[in-house]
Amino acid sequence: GIQVEQSPPDLILQEGANSTLRCNFSDSVNNLQWFHQNPWGQLINLFYIPSGTKQNGRLSATTVATERYSLLYISSSQTTDSGVYFCAVERAGGSYIPTFGRGTSLIVHP
Amino acid sequence: SAVISQKPSRDICQRGTSLTIQCQVDSQVTMMFWYRQQPGQSLTLIATANQGSEATYESGFVIDKFPISRPNLTFSTLTVSNMSPEDSSIYLCSVEDLSPNEQFFGPGTRLTVL
Repeated sequence: GIQVEQSPPDLILQEGANSTLRCNFSDSVNNLQWFHQNPWGQLINLFYIPSGTKQNGRLSATTVATERYSLLYISSSQTTDSGVYFCAVERAGGSYIPTFGRGTSLIVHP
Repeated sequence: SAVISQKPSRDICQRGTSLTIQCQVDSQVTMMFWYRQQPGQSLTLIATANQGSEATYESGFVIDKFPISRPNLTFSTLTVSNMSPEDSSIYLCSVEDLSPNEQFFGPGTRLTVL
């Protein structure tokens, strides 16, 4: 099956700092999503981004499908950004079964 | 986007008992999935819930342990049978639109088995 690797596994920031999270995948994909899991366990959709660039407030994401990676940018981080960020992909030509990376655990200190 | 509710939100159960988790969606969806998330881990797909037929289980998961029902396009249940402490996890229901293939998650059920 498709492999999904996220880096870094852990990240600690001071409030106001910027960060970049990376998701590498081993095969062509027709779907890629970024999720934020808050400390209460809720998974929140951040971006549906199989290719290209999107922005939503302080967050933006870029997927370069031909090079098999995606980046999530967090600018001016806030304590509420803390949690785990997951990348999930669906292999092109495969079944509609998402594969999740192991996630990046982010802690933002005030 | 779909709005998904799960019941119960959390439960503490005794070893050897069973728990049924309900998932309700506010619109008809084609794809419904059940995931397990063990403490500190990523999400692991248990099965795809198929409307009107048997669920499709991933490797390592069997129907006797995790029976799933999906009587219609808006509702599904997952039962965790004959529970042991190793079953303590968050269980998540998710749905996927087909165009685009965007996935949404319910709030999860936090299960503790003593």
